Amino acid sequence: DIVMTQSPDSLAVSLGERATINCKSSQSVLYSSSNKNHLSWYQQRPGQPPKLLIYWASTRESGVPDRFSGSGSGTDFTLTISGLQAEDVAVYYCQQCYSPPYNFGQGTKLEIK
Amino acid sequence: EVQLVESGGGLVQPGGSLRLSCTASGFTFTTYGMHWVRQAPGRGLVWVSYINFDGSDTRYTDSVKGRFTISRDNAKNTLYLQMNSLRVEDTAVYYCVRGRGPGMGFDPWGQGALVTVSS
Repeated sequence: DIVMTQSPDSLAVSLGERATINCKSSQSVLYSSSNKNHLSWYQQRPGQPPKLLIYWASTRESGVPDRFSGSGSGTDFTLTISGLQAEDVAVYYCQQCYSPPYNFGQGTKLEIK
Repeated sequence: EVQLVESGGGLVQPGGSLRLSCTASGFTFTTYGMHWVRQAPGRGLVWVSYINFDGSDTRYTDSVKGRFTISRDNAKNTLYLQMNSLRVEDTAVYYCVRGRGPGMGFDPWGQGALVTVSS
């Protein structure tokens, strides 16, 4: 099984500043035939189901603000939120979609400083 | 509008059974693989099960193998999760989710169905 580990578990960032969340997989999630990383990011606001933000490690889902960006390849990935806004308070999860079980990271709780 | 609506959650005693349903609308259900993901109170997301577009391939996380069965009725645009031999640790909100294709993530998510296993 591929284990996903996020860091940090929580962080507090000032409005307008940058938030960075890291995600590491226990083995590569790069699909060689397509040269795409099967890594997704989700946002879960309190009391809501998760929402897909990023797939293929760096492709932003339609309608997601461009302050959200994803990067990385192989086993190391980053979600960056530039210009933090109040509505970005949430828990963020990475997930590998490479092979079952399609494990999630433990989540990173983002708060306003 | 693409939508998934779960039903069938509730309170059940340990060892009991429950069947969740998920009705899909707004997209061609027969062309997508589907998943169940659960979230225990105050905890993170856990992938539970997958079924491919025609039901010929199913996968499960180890903790539910032999107890849970995923199925679908494409004529009714409905996904199911039959849960038997329920344990207290199965208590969670269960989300029905559409798989978008190879590596493209899960979207949309239903609002979730709460399953509580308690005596």
